[in-house]
Amino acid sequence: GAVVSQHPSRVICKSGTSVKIECRSLDFQATTMFWYRQFPKKSLMLMATSNEGSKATYEQGVEKDKFLINHASLTLSTLTVTSAHPEDSSFYICSASPAGVETQYFGPGTRLLVL
Amino acid sequence: AQKITQTQPGMFVQEKEAVTLDCTYDTSDPSYGLFWYKQPSSGEMIFLIYQGSYDQQNATEGRYSLNFQKARKSANLVISASQLGDSAMYFCAMREGRNAGKSTFGDGTTLTVKP
Repeated sequence: GAVVSQHPSRVICKSGTSVKIECRSLDFQATTMFWYRQFPKKSLMLMATSNEGSKATYEQGVEKDKFLINHASLTLSTLTVTSAHPEDSSFYICSASPAGVETQYFGPGTRLLVL
Repeated sequence: AQKITQTQPGMFVQEKEAVTLDCTYDTSDPSYGLFWYKQPSSGEMIFLIYQGSYDQQNATEGRYSLNFQKARKSANLVISASQLGDSAMYFCAMREGRNAGKSTFGDGTTLTVKP
């Protein structure tokens, strides 16, 4: 089956610093990847669509300058939380789909804690 | 705009019994896809089952089946012969257009299987 990895799985940082999260499709190429955010015991909220070789598409209300997305290759998308603050603490999950497959496969997620 | 509603915040089921998790949806798009995911305490999102809007038969995957009632706009998940390992959060999601990643998620149902 399709496998998506994320790194790191957990990160703690100080307020004001930037944090980079990587999302990789291990056994398939993905022209599009998706970034979600999830608060404890809450639903997943789509943040943005990462497009290989072009700009990401952000959902309404998501600050593009705050959450920088780079999709430099067909197997890697990165989300950088810039100048992180405690309110950015959350569970971030990426997903991708092999071509022609209806479902999406999720990475294991990254727990971010900003102190 | 599309919307997913899961009205059961929490459900309990006895081990080896069947349980139904409710999901209703709202969309004006005639082409859509419905998904169920399982999220254990580890946080990973596990794909369970998919139903396309034009599929004539209800989807089944092992112990999971989707009770798709198109006229009522419902897509309930049925888990047969519950196991202790089924205890988790379950999310219903709907795809927008043909892109599996751009999905809207319900608020989830926490299922607890009792021994």
